[in-house]
Amino acid sequence: AQSVTQLDSQVPVFEEAPVELRCNYSSSVSVYLFWYVQYPNQGLQLLLKYLSGSTLVESINGFEAEFNKSQTSFHLRKPSVHISDTAEYFCAVSPFSGGYQKVTFGIGTKLQVIP
Amino acid sequence: ETGVTQTPRHLVMGMTNKKSLKCEQHLGHNAMYWYKQSAKKPLELMFVYNFKEQTENNSVPSRFSPECPNSSHLFLHLHTLQPEDSALYLCASSQARPGLEGSTQYFGPGTRLTVL
Repeated sequence: AQSVTQLDSQVPVFEEAPVELRCNYSSSVSVYLFWYVQYPNQGLQLLLKYLSGSTLVESINGFEAEFNKSQTSFHLRKPSVHISDTAEYFCAVSPFSGGYQKVTFGIGTKLQVIP
Repeated sequence: ETGVTQTPRHLVMGMTNKKSLKCEQHLGHNAMYWYKQSAKKPLELMFVYNFKEQTENNSVPSRFSPECPNSSHLFLHLHTLQPEDSALYLCASSQARPGLEGSTQYFGPGTRLTVL
């Protein structure tokens, strides 16, 4: 079994400031790691995912996440946020084996960008 | 239309009503999911279908009844709901196989359900 912890339920940050959203996970097996974003009144959209290889993963809208195996973390960062980044962000894990049914989501972190 | 669509987007119903939520995916996937999203709680997986067969039911009350007539369509039939069932109901789809493809889920916009 695996679990995901997102320690910050809300993160307020001023526009153009950097932000880090924290995600820690626990699992007895190797996992895939994901970040999803949910804009107001919408479903979840895949932001980025980590499979293997380089520990730094980037998305098309300037976010990046770094996999740290020793700390079992997959924190999401952006060097300069925009108002349009205001949304809720979900970290998720899924085991390499065990199939498609085993995705576990965190509780979510609400990012509020202040003008 | 592409992606995963859900109708209706908003639904208000009384506890004695019967209603259905509809989900349709245009991604060629063969696994479909219902999730319940409530405030301050993690996403709750309710049901999983693989090639129209139900493969997961996470102790969901019988007042929620899923139906998957084919790999592209998924329904959630609702009857005699309780106010605590008010939530955002999300549908998702993926490939039904192990590995990264199967783990990557694509979500619809959700149905905001309010039970009075």
